[in-house]
Amino acid sequence: AQSVTQLDSHVSVSEGTPVLLRCNYSSSYSPSLFWYVQHPNKGLQLLLKYTSAATLVKGINGFEAEFKKSETSFHLTKPSAHMSDAAEYFCVVSSGGKLIFGQGTTLQVKP
Amino acid sequence: KAGVTQTPRYLIKTRGQQVTLSCSPISGHRSVSWYQQTPGQGLQFLFEYFSETQRNKGNFPGRFSGRQFSNSRSEMNVSTLELGDSALYLCASSWARGGGFRTYEQYFGPGTRLTVT
Repeated sequence: AQSVTQLDSHVSVSEGTPVLLRCNYSSSYSPSLFWYVQHPNKGLQLLLKYTSAATLVKGINGFEAEFKKSETSFHLTKPSAHMSDAAEYFCVVSSGGKLIFGQGTTLQVKP
Repeated sequence: KAGVTQTPRYLIKTRGQQVTLSCSPISGHRSVSWYQQTPGQGLQFLFEYFSETQRNKGNFPGRFSGRQFSNSRSEMNVSTLELGDSALYLCASSWARGGGFRTYEQYFGPGTRLTVT
């Protein structure tokens, strides 16, 4: 069975500093992986997706993620945090037509 | 292009009642999926419809059902509501075709917040 584990439930950074949200996956074959973001009282927005074309994936709003098969990781990064980045972030794997979500990481951005 | 729309946005029901939620996908999308989001269980897959047929189902009791119409709009029904059904219900649409599910992305609506009292 495929699954994802988000290693931090809460991450706090200062505005202008780098962001790192960690995700490990478990899959018996090459997975399709996604990062979604959810702002308070909003739906989910797709940040980026990995589908085996390139290991470094660039997304919207300056986010990117690197697929590392040897480490079974798909960490999300951003060079410089902005106040508007404060939200809940979900690492997701696609499995047999459905999305399996991690438990989420709350990103707090301090001024 | 308009995004995924869900109605109503908020709903309060009493235990034992039933409820129907509606979802209109992005124009051209034929796959509609439903998810339940709760603080305790996180985001969980309910079911997926494609071309009016349920193609995939999660681990939810039979009280949760859905359907899809010929215009790809979808409804989700929950009968005999329980307090634990209080959640944000999210609908997502996709270009997904008849096979090769693995690489499609889903676009989510704003959700319907259901409160059961």
